[in-house]
Amino acid sequence: DIQMTQSPSSLSASVGDRVTITCRASQSVSNFLHWYQQKPGKAPNLLIYAASNLQSGVPSRFNGSGSGTDFTLTISSLQPEDFATYFCQQSSNTPRTFGQGTKVEIK
Amino acid sequence: EVRLVQSGAEVKKPGESLKISCKASGYSFSFYWIAWLRQTPGKGLEWMGIIYPGDSETRYSPSFQGQVTFSADKSSGTAYLQWSSLQASDTAMYYCARQYCSTGICYNPFDYWGQGTPVTVSS
Repeated sequence: DIQMTQSPSSLSASVGDRVTITCRASQSVSNFLHWYQQKPGKAPNLLIYAASNLQSGVPSRFNGSGSGTDFTLTISSLQPEDFATYFCQQSSNTPRTFGQGTKVEIK
Repeated sequence: EVRLVQSGAEVKKPGESLKISCKASGYSFSFYWIAWLRQTPGKGLEWMGIIYPGDSETRYSPSFQGQVTFSADKSSGTAYLQWSSLQASDTAMYYCARQYCSTGICYNPFDYWGQGTPVTVSS
């Protein structure tokens, strides 16, 4: 199985901060890497697909980049509604696997 | 509007059977795959496998093969996840999610999710 490792596991940030989350795959997943946001008690919500494509309806402050094994999710200016847990997921190999999540908390 | 609505919370005893559902609306049910995913505090999000309602083709994760069964009813637009004998380790939140696959190749993300069905297995 491809292991997906996110860093950091959690971070504290203030409204307006620039936040960067990284995701590393144990082997190349090309650009078959997606990012989700999950709020407490809710299902995950797709933010970015194929490494860098913004899902319809997602604010443009979210940006994804990377290919191969190293990927980044950046929130350019953190908003109150962005405090949540973020997951990466690869769809290159079976079984599909997720990162362990990065919890973004209010500083 | 695309919606996936899952059945409600379940509390079961070890050894009991269970079937939970995921009702789709707002799109052509037969033309998108439905994935089942498990989430626990200890193991995080896990992909259990997928089913194609058009012909009920199924693909199971090796970790879940033989442990669960997927099915789908095109007439009602509903997908199902079933256990024949639950274990305490099956306690988790279960999600269904939609996925588009081109000619059976599923590189796309899970673009719509159900709200989740919490399952508790305890004696």
